[in-house]
Amino acid sequence: EADIYQTPRYLVIGTGKKITLECSQTMGHDKMYWYQQDPGMELHLIHYSYGVNSTEKGDLSSESTVSRIRTEHFPLTLESARPSHTSQYLCASSERLWDTQYFGPGTRLTVL
Amino acid sequence: AQTVTQSQPEMSVQEAETVTLSCTYDTSENNYYLFWYKQPPSRQMILVIRQEAYKQQNATENRFSVNFQKAAKSFSLKISDSQLGDTAMYFCAFMAYAGGTSYGKLTFGQGTILTVHP
Repeated sequence: EADIYQTPRYLVIGTGKKITLECSQTMGHDKMYWYQQDPGMELHLIHYSYGVNSTEKGDLSSESTVSRIRTEHFPLTLESARPSHTSQYLCASSERLWDTQYFGPGTRLTVL
Repeated sequence: AQTVTQSQPEMSVQEAETVTLSCTYDTSENNYYLFWYKQPPSRQMILVIRQEAYKQQNATENRFSVNFQKAAKSFSLKISDSQLGDTAMYFCAFMAYAGGTSYGKLTFGQGTILTVHP
């Protein structure tokens, strides 16, 4: 399995809380990605990064924000969680843009 | 924009038999990759197989092989000698790799849930 990690694996929180989902990889990959996946559904790209200090919004609009201060770390933040944010969030990384993307185990978020 | 369609929401197969999962895609790009990813229940998504569009030869990886028909924009996955550990959701995905707004981004299909029965 790839060396990409996500914490927490499961999170249940109340509406209005600020949360940060962590993603880190030890492969030295420049490219990192966040996908959102509703249960039993396809993945949609919500954020990506080409390298340190680079962040871009993906195809699916999201109220979350990301930062890339270090190569190995790509956290995702929700300032005020809502029930509509309930989903699974998958982080991925690749060495180059067209390379295979390696996925983390995901964070399953439930907002009550 | 690219679209990827998996028309089989669920499939089942007996252990040791062969199953084929279908995928079609639509794109105006000439240079791209196609992927099959596997997502076992509550486990990490992993790459099963990858195909470069410029290669005519179909990719194979042990028991997994693809039937890539570029003109028809079809990319099916064949799993031979199915094993219980193959039970998972399978996603077909597309990535353009030179130019275009989708450069470097994966577009996924809706997924096919495959169940292997003993």
